Amino acid sequence: ILNVEQSPQSLHVQEGDSTNFTCSFPSSNFYALHWYRWETAKSPEALFVMTLNGDEKKKGRISATLNTKEGYSYLYIKGSQPEDSATYLCAFDNQGGKLIFGQGTELSVKP
Amino acid sequence: NAGVTQTPKFRVLKTGQSMTLLCAQDMNHEYMYWYRQDPGMGLRLIHYSVGEGTTAKGEVPDGYNVSRLKKQNFLLGLESAAPSQTSVYFCASSSFPLFRTNEKLFFGSGTQLSVL
Repeated sequence: ILNVEQSPQSLHVQEGDSTNFTCSFPSSNFYALHWYRWETAKSPEALFVMTLNGDEKKKGRISATLNTKEGYSYLYIKGSQPEDSATYLCAFDNQGGKLIFGQGTELSVKP
Repeated sequence: NAGVTQTPKFRVLKTGQSMTLLCAQDMNHEYMYWYRQDPGMGLRLIHYSVGEGTTAKGEVPDGYNVSRLKKQNFLLGLESAAPSQTSVYFCASSSFPLFRTNEKLFFGSGTQLSVL
């Protein structure tokens, strides 16, 4: 059974803080690593799809890095805002299309 | 722009009852997926389809059946519901295989199912 682990499970920060969380996945047979943002009562929405070792992607204040050799990805949020409050999911693709999701990191940003 | 639409949004069943969840997408996507989300666990793939008329098993297929008679629709059936199937169900779609660079999933809003 392949495991995708996310840490921490939950995070509480103040507005303006920068934060980061981790996604760990098996380092063998890598196709892609996905990050999704899931707000309460909404659908998960894709943030990044990363396929190459050393990839760095950025979307506004959110960025992600990928290390496929050691099996981890970091998601960074710079200057957190209350609207960043959501669960952040990572998903690992090792079979060319069947994603294995982590349990998510729940971020709460207090004004 | 509807995207991926799931019906119903909520349902309560008694053990042994059957039901069908409908997923419809208007993006002409080839690939469609059904996931379930349980507390403390990630999204787990139940079944998926790589095109009209095709279906395949995911991680947790037992107790579920699916059909993809039309490209835009993917149905998830529970023939005899069990309390262990209480969960939130998400449908998703993608236009190309996910291993293509930058290809991502588009999700529906979820169906909350309780089996008593």
